[in-house]
Amino acid sequence: QVQLQQWGAGLLKPSETLSLTCAVYGGSFSGYYYNWIRQPPGKGLEWIGEINRGGDTNYNPSLKSRLTISVDTSKSQVSLKLTSVTAADTAVYYCTRGPRRIAGAADDWGQGTMVTVSS
Amino acid sequence: EIVMTQSPATLSVSPGERATLSCRATESVTSNVAWYQQKPGQAPRLLIYGASTRATGIPARFSGSGSGTEFTLTISSLQSEDFAVYYCQQYHNWRRTFGQGTKVDIK
Repeated sequence: QVQLQQWGAGLLKPSETLSLTCAVYGGSFSGYYYNWIRQPPGKGLEWIGEINRGGDTNYNPSLKSRLTISVDTSKSQVSLKLTSVTAADTAVYYCTRGPRRIAGAADDWGQGTMVTVSS
Repeated sequence: EIVMTQSPATLSVSPGERATLSCRATESVTSNVAWYQQKPGQAPRLLIYGASTRATGIPARFSGSGSGTEFTLTISSLQSEDFAVYYCQQYHNWRRTFGQGTKVDIK
């Protein structure tokens, strides 16, 4: 049974950098696209971006200037960095993945990390 | 950006009844649509991909249909555990987008 376990700081001040890491346990790391998705409190889902094992990325244009998604295949991990955060970035952040044949869809989900941006 | 519009925003259904949820795309996404279920305090769960293929372990009462710009998720006989929020998503375009969600609650 595959597990996506994610971690990172949950409380940030405005202008700081949000950093999250997601590790894959119990399953193959290759053959998947890894996505980050977020959900502000009480609101819907927003796709942040994705990466594959080879490091190819797609980013949401609304976040692209502040966003970096990277992969470390030796550790079966993907990471998210979002710079210059504001209160609008307060959300639950999910690491997800889907097999290549349905790249962009999310078959497996991490537990979510609540990130609050507040001064 | 492809906008996904779900209707209705809220659907009130009695247990055992059929629920029909709609999702419309602003341009063709062929069959590259997924449906998710989210319960309070939980991560979403993939129900349907490819517009009509059930994900692993999803009960047969969930079915998806449609192609192009119009899509439907049908729950044939609602069980108590099905009351939740449902999202559609297109993954046809590299800029993946979600609908705003439909809440299915108890009538």
